[in-house]
Amino acid sequence: KQEVTQIPAALSVPEGENLVLNCSFTDSAIYNLQWFRQDPGKGLTSLLLIQSSQREQTSGRLNASLDKSSGRSTLYIAASQPGDSATYLCAVEDTGFQKLVFGTGTRLLVSP
Amino acid sequence: GAGVSQTPSNKVTEKGKYVELRCDPISGHTALYWYRQSLGQGPEFLIYFQGTGAADDSGLPNDRFFAVRPEGSVSTLKIQRTERGDSAVYLCASSHGQGNNEQFFGPGTRLTVL
Repeated sequence: KQEVTQIPAALSVPEGENLVLNCSFTDSAIYNLQWFRQDPGKGLTSLLLIQSSQREQTSGRLNASLDKSSGRSTLYIAASQPGDSATYLCAVEDTGFQKLVFGTGTRLLVSP
Repeated sequence: GAGVSQTPSNKVTEKGKYVELRCDPISGHTALYWYRQSLGQGPEFLIYFQGTGAADDSGLPNDRFFAVRPEGSVSTLKIQRTERGDSAVYLCASSHGQGNNEQFFGPGTRLTVL
C-alpha cells in the first residue's frame, strides 16, 4: 500500500528565504506526482505535476524534482513571500490506479 | 465556469439524516473523483468515475456512502444515516482521464453532523 510522508510538518521562515519542502513515498511504481497548495478553508490548487519519466518541473518561483527510484520529491520555493503562506500537499498517482494518495502536508508561514 | 464547482459549500445536518453533495466537473473532463479530508490530514480517496461508471469505489468507508454520475458530467455523493464521524470536508476533482491526468479540485463541501 502506497504511503506518502511530508517533512517538515510545519515551517516558519522570514520573507525572501529560499526553502525546500520534502515528500517521500514508499512504492516507486508511480504514474505521476502532483504538488498542491491549500489555503485555510479552501480547496486544493494544483501547482506542479511531474510525470514518472520526468526529473523536474518549474513554474515561476517553484521548482519540483522527482527521484522515483529513491521515492522522493522536493518542492523548492525561491525568494519566499508572505503570500506563499499555505499548506503544501504532495500526492502520488500509482500506475494503473488513477486515484491520488496524499501526504499530510507541510504548513508554511512566511513572515514579512 | 472554468473550474470544478461544488454545492453546497457548507452543510449542517443531524445524526441519522440523509445528505447529498453535488459536484460539477470541468467541461470535457471524463474522470471525476471524490475525496474526504479530515482536519489536519491530507485528502483520502473515496471513489473514481470514468464516464458514467464507477471505476474504483474502494475508498468508500461503508454502504452508507454511494455516488452516481448518470450522464457522465455532474456527480452526487449520497450519505445515508449520517454519523458524527462523517463530519469532514468532501472534495471533488476532475481530470481528462488520460495523458498526464492532472487532477483539478473544487472548493469542497464542509459537512458537519451534529
